[in-house]
Amino acid sequence: GQQLNQSPQSMFIQEGEDVSMNCTSSSIFNTWLWYKQDPGEGPVLLIALYKAGELTSNGRLTAQFGITRKDSFLNISASIPSDVGIYFCAGPQYNQGGKLIFGQGTELSVKP
Amino acid sequence: DGGITQSPKYLFRKEGQNVTLSCEQNLNHDAMYWYRQDPGQGLRLIYYSQIVNDFQKGDIAEGYSVSREKKESFPLTVTSAQKNPTAFYLCASSTDRLGGYSPLHFGNGTRLTVT
Repeated sequence: GQQLNQSPQSMFIQEGEDVSMNCTSSSIFNTWLWYKQDPGEGPVLLIALYKAGELTSNGRLTAQFGITRKDSFLNISASIPSDVGIYFCAGPQYNQGGKLIFGQGTELSVKP
Repeated sequence: DGGITQSPKYLFRKEGQNVTLSCEQNLNHDAMYWYRQDPGQGLRLIYYSQIVNDFQKGDIAEGYSVSREKKESFPLTVTSAQKNPTAFYLCASSTDRLGGYSPLHFGNGTRLTVT
């Protein structure tokens, strides 16, 4: 079945640094979603991408839908301590009625 | 405020006991989902329901059961047949009956510990 691979698995950065993470698949996706999960809580949608090549921003966050439709990138600029959490990419599985499949997550730690 | 409520936040059970996790939503969403999260892994789909009185198995349904008698409620029972039940369980809902094409809204999870 379709799989999403996220990298890196974890990141330890200094406050103020920029962050970049990505999500890749061997299959094509027509939608990419990026979620953030704060410790002990449920994931919250950050950005949704619906078109190949699309670049979308949400505050300090910017995500891109790869032109091959097999990858997506999330960048965070000027990180702050509240950026700590796990970032998941997700996309609908077409052979499973559109149910979402999630990547393994990138765990971000920010040192003040 | 509309949202998804999962209760309890923490649950402890002895091995061999069934346990039911509650999930209620007041978003008027048709579709509801249960995911399991283990450390270092993504979210894995247990069961989902696109409409009342109907539900489908996800990728890891063995040892779990659900019901969808009301649009607002989608309880998950972790049975004694589930070999590794200790995990963080997340309930979600969406407007789209097909799922996936409309983003999921998640509850804050229930952490189940079985000893």
